[in-house]
Parts: sequence; C-alpha cells; structure tokens
Amino acid sequence: DAGVIQSPRHEVTEMGQEVTLRCKPISGHDYLFWYRQTMMRGLELLIYFNNNVPIDDSGMPEDRFSAKMPNASFSTLKIQPSEPRDSAVYFCASSLVHSTDTQYFGPGTRLTVL
Amino acid sequence: TQLLEQSPQFLSIQEGENLTVYCNSSSVFSSLQWYRQEPGEGPVLLVTVVTGGEVKKLKRLTFQFGDARKDSSLHITAAQPGDTGLYLCAGARGGNNRKLIWGLGTSLAVNP
Repeated sequence: DAGVIQSPRHEVTEMGQEVTLRCKPISGHDYLFWYRQTMMRGLELLIYFNNNVPIDDSGMPEDRFSAKMPNASFSTLKIQPSEPRDSAVYFCASSLVHSTDTQYFGPGTRLTVL
Repeated sequence: TQLLEQSPQFLSIQEGENLTVYCNSSSVFSSLQWYRQEPGEGPVLLVTVVTGGEVKKLKRLTFQFGDARKDSSLHITAAQPGDTGLYLCAGARGGNNRKLIWGLGTSLAVNP
C-alpha cells in the first residue's frame, strides 16, 4: 500500500485566497483525521471522520475552515479566506476501527500564507 | 491547557549516551502511544502501551506505562544519530472517542 497520500506537499498563497488540501487515506481504514502542527501548539486535531461521516469538528478553528469526505478514498480541508496565522503543516491520518490502532500519517502539506 | 506534558522539550546528546524522556498527565488514559517524527515527514508509531506498569522493549528503546496509567517514559540506550527526531506521546481515552491527546514532543538530536 502507498500509505496516506496528501497533496500538495507545499502551498504558498496570499492572504485572502482559498486553499484546498487533499488526502487519500489507506484503503480499508475507517477513520480519517485532519491535524495542524505548529511549533507553538504542537499537533492539534481539527476534525475526524468515521466511515465518511464527521464525528468531531470541535478543533476546527473558525468558520473559514471546512472539511469534507465525499467517499472512503478522498477528503479535503478547505480554508477560505486564508490568513497568515493559518501557516502550518497540515497532516492527514487514517486508522482502523479498534481504539488502540495506529494512526498512519501522510507526509503533510506545508502551508505558507503571505 | 496541555493535558500531556513532555520533558525535556529539547535534548542534545552524543552518540552512545543513554537518555530518558517523560510524558506526564493528571488524567488517566486507556492507552498511550509513542510516535517519532523526522523532519518533513508525519509521525510514525513506535509502540502502544495499554496496561498499567507495562514495559515494552523495541531494540534499544524501552517504554514504560505508569501503574496509574497517567504517565509514561521512553528510555534509549546507546543513542545513535538515527534516533534523532521529535518524540511525541499521545493518550487515548478509549471507548468510542477516537481523539488522541498529544504532547508537544521532545526534540532529540544525537550527535556523532
């Protein structure tokens, strides 16, 4: 298996622009997680899905952030409009159903908002 | 509020030295995971500990879960440059809640 795939790997955009991050989880995994990582705050869970249904979006910082999972093999995280404080590395991870199962992370998208 | 405190935040040692990093909380977790993250990559799971007092060994790495399931430690024997990275601990509440509570990590540099 290719693992969790994220695109793009790097994104540089200007304040006010829309940004869309993409994720393909590992085939057969039931859960998908979106995280944001910064030096100051570490890894923060933004939202997670179970079988394509959003379960907990309490970590989504503002209405500017939205996430969708239209099918089991694809998810997007959208920021509209983007702001400089959104600059971070965004990770997608997937896992199987059991509570102690590993979360498999993608390589991340490094977002810079100028 | 950071529910999982990791210490030290940074550690720089020479190849061959031993080290211990800590992950502490006032909360009880059903399980605790340790991940290592290398620059430009996502975290990768090293181990999951589930039972209070449990000790797991992975080659030169020894992981321990506290008796009360509130804390954990990672001990590395004879560190090597390949051990360099960010070590993250993450606690699980169990049940239907799939959120992991993450520490900020210990950044380890092993110098040759």
